[in-house]
Amino acid sequence: EVQLVQSGAEVKKPGESLKISCKGSGYSFTSYWIGWVRQMPGKGLEWMGIIYPGDSDTRYSPSFQGQVTISADKSISTAYLQWSSLKASDTAMYYCARTKRYPYYFDYWGQGTLVTVSS
Amino acid sequence: EIVLTQSPGTLSLSPGERATLSCRASQSVSSSYLAWYQQKPGQAPRLLIYGASSRATGIPDRFSGSGSGTDFTLTISRLEPEDFAVYYCQQYGSSLGITFGQGTRLEIK
Repeated sequence: EVQLVQSGAEVKKPGESLKISCKGSGYSFTSYWIGWVRQMPGKGLEWMGIIYPGDSDTRYSPSFQGQVTISADKSISTAYLQWSSLKASDTAMYYCARTKRYPYYFDYWGQGTLVTVSS
Repeated sequence: EIVLTQSPGTLSLSPGERATLSCRASQSVSSSYLAWYQQKPGQAPRLLIYGASSRATGIPDRFSGSGSGTDFTLTISRLEPEDFAVYYCQQYGSSLGITFGQGTRLEIK
């Protein structure tokens, strides 16, 4: 069974750093891309970027380029999304999702990680 | 970037009725690379339709997708209580990246 399991909810202060994770199982982790999608409170879905764990090829949405870093450790089948300095406007639910190629549709999604940034 | 505009913003219908949701692209979506997702409160999105008209695994046949170019439609033939949710379209035909529509909320009348 394909599963993407994300790390738990986080509460951070503005200016702090954060790295959240997404662990894949039940499939060949290095043969699929993992994308990240933001959903701000009460809002829609926004594609942030994507990584191919097989060779770490990474692409970013222009809206998120320079704002976040996407990485992966294929030895433990885990992808990451990180911030170096959080802002209150980063408060959102973040989903990881799997896709066979880029650009393409997402067939499996993680359960989401809620990030709250507040002083 | 291809901008997707979904309409209506909210659709109020009763169980058993037919739902028609629209997704319009700012430029042609190549090869009908258009997907639809369903999202219920507190849950992650779920893939319904890809390639504009192909149902994903396990999706009931009351869900159907159609369209090409800039105009796409998701139809739910007979609404079941569990179908009331938010629906998003997504295009993946552009080398500039992936974009989602803003969503249509389907609510019980």
